[in-house]
Amino acid sequence: DTEVTQTPKHLVMGMTNKKSLKCEQHMGHRAMYWYKQKAKKPPELMFVYSYEKLSINESVPSRFSPECPNSSLLNLHLHALQPEDSALYLCASSSSGGYLGYTFGSGTRLTVV
Amino acid sequence: DAKTTQPTSMDCAEGRAANLPCNHSTISGNEYVYWYRQIHSQGPQYIIHGLKNNETNEMASLIITEDRKSSTLILPHATLRDTAVYYCIVRVPSVYNTDKLIFGTGTRLQVFP
Repeated sequence: DTEVTQTPKHLVMGMTNKKSLKCEQHMGHRAMYWYKQKAKKPPELMFVYSYEKLSINESVPSRFSPECPNSSLLNLHLHALQPEDSALYLCASSSSGGYLGYTFGSGTRLTVV
Repeated sequence: DAKTTQPTSMDCAEGRAANLPCNHSTISGNEYVYWYRQIHSQGPQYIIHGLKNNETNEMASLIITEDRKSSTLILPHATLRDTAVYYCIVRVPSVYNTDKLIFGTGTRLQVFP
């Protein structure tokens, strides 16, 4: 299995809702990442998990809460989002050292209404 | 990580070689050059990477200048499916996966019939 699977593919949520994005990989990669991408912009790094521990938080607002329950799973919990948080959320993983690059999922397109 | 500069957009005729330049004049000796592409609304896809020597794989070739201050990604026979945004990134792979893959603005390549 050489893929990163993200669910759901599309999500519409209200500003008072709580929802979660899920990311799964079975390549044995020990680093996993969350990126946010607005329309016509490059992906922006949000969080890095290394060996199931949060190693980088790029000053992301607390309404985004990451979680890494095990080495294959990465979640992003969403609460009290704003319309400007609408974006494509991408998950990625990489092997130790990342020499072979990152593998990205196809993303979750989130719309906050 | 060093900053990269790429042209905003390029056109290429189908079947011809697409040569995408990237300037990384502040690259350090241990930083690799990576190329990714993103086809509309999909996750970025790893293409190739290199340190000093030219590299080739089934997708593309990477030519790095001797001073390592610039590189060129070559798609030898572009097809319509190669229409995408191409990102050139320089980074130091981290053994403990605490590095960041930071995307620049990229080059939008349009392949036309």
